[in-house]
Amino acid sequence: KNEVEQSPQNLTAQEGEFITINCSYSVGISALHWLQQHPGGGIVSLFMLSSGKKKHGRLIATINIQEKHSSLHITASHPRDSAVYICAVGRTSYDKVIFGPGTSLSVIP
Amino acid sequence: DAGVIQSPRHEVTEMGQEVTLRCKPISGHDYLFWYRQTMMRGLELLIYFNNNVPIDDSGMPEDRFSAKMPNASFSTLKIQPSEPRDSAVYFCATRRTGVGEQYFGPGTRLTVT
Repeated sequence: KNEVEQSPQNLTAQEGEFITINCSYSVGISALHWLQQHPGGGIVSLFMLSSGKKKHGRLIATINIQEKHSSLHITASHPRDSAVYICAVGRTSYDKVIFGPGTSLSVIP
Repeated sequence: DAGVIQSPRHEVTEMGQEVTLRCKPISGHDYLFWYRQTMMRGLELLIYFNNNVPIDDSGMPEDRFSAKMPNASFSTLKIQPSEPRDSAVYFCATRRTGVGEQYFGPGTRLTVT
């Protein structure tokens, strides 16, 4: 069993839809990261959180430490949101992060 | 700030050749990570440095891979000899102590034929 799992693996949505991507993990963590990677592009950090919720524009990230689960929500999705979204966890007392397999999102106009 | 700088952006080489990938971290960032990304395995940590010292190289696939960080402004990842299965995108990322967010470079796309 992978230490970090994401669902769904692939997601297609119509422009304007509300999108949720889930991440679950099985190890103790110090922080959880959400990253975005556009096709052929680099990787950008969207959020780092260890509790509660964070919001940036149309993006919202939540984490439930007890349930070892995080969600990334995109409101009013747009084609430019099409990308791979990667969840990564920083393990307690360790400096390195463990990556999930990614969720490929395609938003259709 | 220019961000994390990697070079070259693309590298095509023949099997058996030596390949050197380069990374310049963001000034003041004391952690540097080398990652490899493939379709099959996703993102994998190869090695990371703290204050120029290698801390964990357990992700380095084999002795053909080596990494150095001679100073706070420069790191290299070397593959010698290269093999077709080394074809991947190699990312360098850096961060500052006390701040968990990592900043990624644009990556080097390596193709070994």
